[in-house]
Amino acid sequence: AQKITQTQPGMFVQEKEAVTLDCTYDTSDPSYGLFWYKQPSSGEMIFLIYQGSYDQQNATEGRYSLNFQKARKSANLVISASQLGDSAMYFCAMREAPGWGSARQLTFGSGTQLTVLP
Amino acid sequence: GAGVSQSPRYKVAKRGQDVALRCDPISGHVSLFWYQQALGQGPEFLTYFQNEAQLDKSGLPSDRFFAERPEGSVSTLKIQRTQQEDSAVYLCASSLGRGPNQPQHFGDGTRLSIL
Repeated sequence: AQKITQTQPGMFVQEKEAVTLDCTYDTSDPSYGLFWYKQPSSGEMIFLIYQGSYDQQNATEGRYSLNFQKARKSANLVISASQLGDSAMYFCAMREAPGWGSARQLTFGSGTQLTVLP
Repeated sequence: GAGVSQSPRYKVAKRGQDVALRCDPISGHVSLFWYQQALGQGPEFLTYFQNEAQLDKSGLPSDRFFAERPEGSVSTLKIQRTQQEDSAVYLCASSLGRGPNQPQHFGDGTRLSIL
C-alpha cells in the first residue's frame, strides 16, 4: 500500500487565489511527522511546513498552512494568495519513528505540479 | 555556505563507467540521507548515516552502489559499472537529529545521465 498518496498530478490556480493540494498517508506508528516540500524546475527541494502527529493545532508558515485531519489521515497543503513564483512541483512526505536505530527517512508522494496563472 | 552542497551539478557518463557524487551537509548536522529521484517521481530513500556510521542502506538498489562518510561530514555516493537505469537525480539531505519532527534540508542534487 502507498504510504503517501497525492491524487492530483496537476493543478492550476489563478494568481492571488488560494489553492489546496491534497495528501493522504498511511502509517501504524503513533508518532510521525508530515512535511511539504516545493521543488521548482531548477531542482532544489525546499522545505515548506511541518506537522507532528501529536500537534493539536494546524501548522502555519506565512502563506502556507496545513489542514491536518488525523482521523482521516490527511494533511492537505493550503497556499493562500498564490504568486507566480509558487509554480512548482509540491511533494508531501512522512517521517515515521519506528524505533531506535532506524533511518527515519522521508517517504514521498508522487507530487502535484502546481501552475499559477497570471 | 549555509546549505547542503552537492557536486557535480550534472554528470554524464558512459555505461560501464564508475561515478562519484559528493555531498557536503549543513555544519553540525548529524544525520545524512541519500535519495534517488527518477523523472516525474518523488525521491526514494537510498541510505542513511548518523555521523560516520552507515546505519541503513536498505534502499541501495544493488551492490554497485556504495556510500561513505568517513569523518562524519562530507559523504560520497559511488556507483560502479553504471547502467542506463541509474540515470536520475541524486539528492542529499541532512538534518540536525533523528526525531520525526526534524526537517531534512536538501541540496540541489546531481543530475546523472548514463549514455
